[in-house]
Amino acid sequence: RKEVEQDPGPFNVPEGATVAFNCTYSNSASQSFFWYRQDCRKEPKLLMSVYSSGNEDGRFTAQLNRASQYISLLIRDSKLSDSATYLCVVITGTGGFKTIFGAGTRLFVKA
Amino acid sequence: DGGITQSPKYLFRKEGQNVTLSCEQNLNHDAMYWYRQDPGQGLRLIYYSQIVNDFQKGDIAEGYSVSREKKESFPLTVTSAQKNPTAFYLCASSGGPITDTQYFGPGTRLTVL
Repeated sequence: RKEVEQDPGPFNVPEGATVAFNCTYSNSASQSFFWYRQDCRKEPKLLMSVYSSGNEDGRFTAQLNRASQYISLLIRDSKLSDSATYLCVVITGTGGFKTIFGAGTRLFVKA
Repeated sequence: DGGITQSPKYLFRKEGQNVTLSCEQNLNHDAMYWYRQDPGQGLRLIYYSQIVNDFQKGDIAEGYSVSREKKESFPLTVTSAQKNPTAFYLCASSGGPITDTQYFGPGTRLTVL
């Protein structure tokens, strides 16, 4: 089992749709969680941190479920500009620092 | 403007040559990182440094070397010992603990001919 797993997609959705991605992780001691967005041939850019209490930023909502060991990202009212690859990142700080990136979920939003 | 710069953007190298990728940041961040990204895969950590004159191996350090002589700079050398060096190399930095948010430079695409 991979340490961090994401559905690679692609997710093809129409403008205005709501889409959700999940990311599962295997290490229960993981401490920090993030969602990044990566456009084709560009660097990842931070989208949002993920907290147990949930985190909302405009049309984007991120959640952490420690019991089931997954994080989620919900995008409401999808825009064409949301088309990108979404990477989840899990950092474990105990017993040695380890940052693990998921392979990403590709999203295509179509007019 | 504050940020992370990497140079060059594209780099071509002949097999058997060492090459050094530059990474500079003016964010006053303590920690810096190097990753490589291959098509369809997640980023993999090569080396990281939490403080000047100190660095640690990541998951795939073989065939790479780094130095951290200045807070702003964390160059990566891809040596001839790296068996499959063609990849997209990304440098990142973070200001707080190593579990803090990382910010990325624009990356360098290395192609070995």
